[in-house]
Amino acid sequence: DTAVSQTPKYLVTQMGNDKSIKCEQNLGHDTMYWYKQDSKKFLKIMFSYNNKELIINETVPNRFSPKSPDKAHLNLHINSLELGDSAVYFCASKSVESTDTQYFGPGTRLTVL
Amino acid sequence: DQQVKQNSPSLSVQEGRISILNCDYTNSMFDYFLWYKKYPAEGPTFLISISSIKDKNEDGRFTVFLNKSAKHLSLHIVPSQPGDSAVYFCAASHTNAGKSTFGDGTTLTVKP
Repeated sequence: DTAVSQTPKYLVTQMGNDKSIKCEQNLGHDTMYWYKQDSKKFLKIMFSYNNKELIINETVPNRFSPKSPDKAHLNLHINSLELGDSAVYFCASKSVESTDTQYFGPGTRLTVL
Repeated sequence: DQQVKQNSPSLSVQEGRISILNCDYTNSMFDYFLWYKKYPAEGPTFLISISSIKDKNEDGRFTVFLNKSAKHLSLHIVPSQPGDSAVYFCAASHTNAGKSTFGDGTTLTVKP
């Protein structure tokens, strides 16, 4: 019974390619997030969606496009991948009633060669 | 501008002793603070939190202390166990911000 799942877990690709990472939560939460954890281990928020609407976009390059087909899913599409995009990407969700406790997925390690 | 800082990248303690992990923040608007624990190849999991109206919150072996005037919080783990070995992230948020700001983590190693 995985609460927040991400696919794929590992993704190795060439520079310039386009790739997607999928996220699904079965917790009934209204809010979902994407975070990037770079080589310095810093967890940085990228996007937040509430009920399929974008509410936070933290100055992420427009090569990154989140898509929320419904409130249980938040996918991340990345165009024209660059070496600096190599990182671990975490999806998370929370209930709108929660103070701020987030539930994280297991992460997707993206390696751009 | 890193608003939440964990100045110790790593900490090593003996099993049974106390582990103290520290976190400093700069934004006085933050009113809710959380600690997450992360094992390798897994996502962070929520551990304990504290509201700015309190200065202490305890949950079993884990206690979080908040010093608002110093903009400092700490996580105490007593007694430490080898299974506590993980990366600990401090996070802070303020009401209606819709997001948390994370520190860059402290790797705790508890030696048997």
